[in-house]
Amino acid sequence: AQKITQTQPGMFVQEKEAVTLDCTYDTSDPSYGLFWYKQPSSGEMIFLIYQGSYDQQNATEGRYSLNFQKARKSANLVISASQLGDSAMYFCAMRVRGAQKLVFGQGTRLTINP
Amino acid sequence: NAGVTQTPKFRVLKTGQSMTLLCAQDMNHEYMYWYRQDPGMGLRLIHYSVGEGTTAKGEVPDGYNVSRLKKQNFLLGLESAAPSQTSVYFCASSDRTAGGEKLFFGSGTQLSVL
Repeated sequence: AQKITQTQPGMFVQEKEAVTLDCTYDTSDPSYGLFWYKQPSSGEMIFLIYQGSYDQQNATEGRYSLNFQKARKSANLVISASQLGDSAMYFCAMRVRGAQKLVFGQGTRLTINP
Repeated sequence: NAGVTQTPKFRVLKTGQSMTLLCAQDMNHEYMYWYRQDPGMGLRLIHYSVGEGTTAKGEVPDGYNVSRLKKQNFLLGLESAAPSQTSVYFCASSDRTAGGEKLFFGSGTQLSVL
């Protein structure tokens, strides 16, 4: 069975600092994809970044990067130079290839302080 | 660009009442999903569809029914609403050929069952 675990219910960070949001996953399938979504207070789900299990390099999208450590089954999201607008709920998710569903973690609420 | 549109955005029901949530996407996506979001539990898959005329159960299907009569529409029905179905409901769609198969989400429906 697939499982995503986000162990940080909430995090508080000073503006302009880098922040790492933790995500560990569990699957026995060698082919899978990992996703991060952002949910601001307005409620919509915004796709941030994707990492495939066979990708050789860590994914990056602007200020977002995914620290993928396959042996440890972790897929942490790193946000560089945090901004007030980064305050939101962040969800890690996984899809095993061939499976139709995306499995989500419980989420981490990030608050950026000025 | 409409993307994924959910109606209604808010609804209050009494226990035992029925209702249908409508999801429409204009991206010609094959896959469509219904998730529910509850505090501390992330998003959980209710039902999904891999194409017109097909539906399948997700993690928490009990109490819900779905239909996909047209490719662009995915309906979620509650035949006899219960307070446990108070939640935020998200529809999503994805393209089976897109790299990463990321989900595009609607803006959500806040449902309260009294």
